[in-house]
Amino acid sequence: EAAVTQSPRNKVAVTGGKVTLSCNQTNNHNNMYWYRQDTGHGLRLIHYSYGAGSTEKGDIPDGYKASRPSQENFSLILELATPSQTSVYFCASGDVGGSNQDTQYFGPGTRLLVL
Amino acid sequence: QQKVQQSPESLTVSEGAMASLNCTFSDGTSDNFRWYRQHSGKGLEVLVSIFSDGEKEEGRFTAHLNRASLHVSLHIREPQPSDSAVYLCAIMPNYNVLYFGSGTKLTVEP
Repeated sequence: EAAVTQSPRNKVAVTGGKVTLSCNQTNNHNNMYWYRQDTGHGLRLIHYSYGAGSTEKGDIPDGYKASRPSQENFSLILELATPSQTSVYFCASGDVGGSNQDTQYFGPGTRLLVL
Repeated sequence: QQKVQQSPESLTVSEGAMASLNCTFSDGTSDNFRWYRQHSGKGLEVLVSIFSDGEKEEGRFTAHLNRASLHVSLHIREPQPSDSAVYLCAIMPNYNVLYFGSGTKLTVEP
């Protein structure tokens, strides 16, 4: 089973500060994703990547940047954090098998509080 | 963009009784549906993936898809207290992009 790890697991940041959330996967999946989870909204896609060097905007990319420096690592960057970005952030990775039946494997989540 | 709605928001069942969760979606052209489970403070665990109308069973978990009715359900047979968690329905209308419902919180009482 895919192993997806996230760091930090918990983070407190100040408004206007820069926050970087990191994700690492060890199963050589091409695709990686960043979601945020808020009460009443389920998970919403922020950014995703098809491979090293690529990033794509998801449904709610405003205020976030992403970086995929390698197959294993995918970062989410909040250049100027705001209290509205307080949330739980999940990273996921998935296979690219040429079909629509691929599965995404999720990390344990990062709780971010922006004061 | 897909709209995915789950019901009920919360559900309490007794240990051993069948639990049934529902999910409706806005676009019937998708052929890729997932049910995930999320224990408190944890990540998501995929339970069942279903790609055509009808039923798909994975152990005690059975998904039932009816695209004409824009509905996919999850039935949990003989639920245990350890099944207490939030259950999330997800749809993949586009290649590798998932849309999630807001979840059903299931509590299984001993």
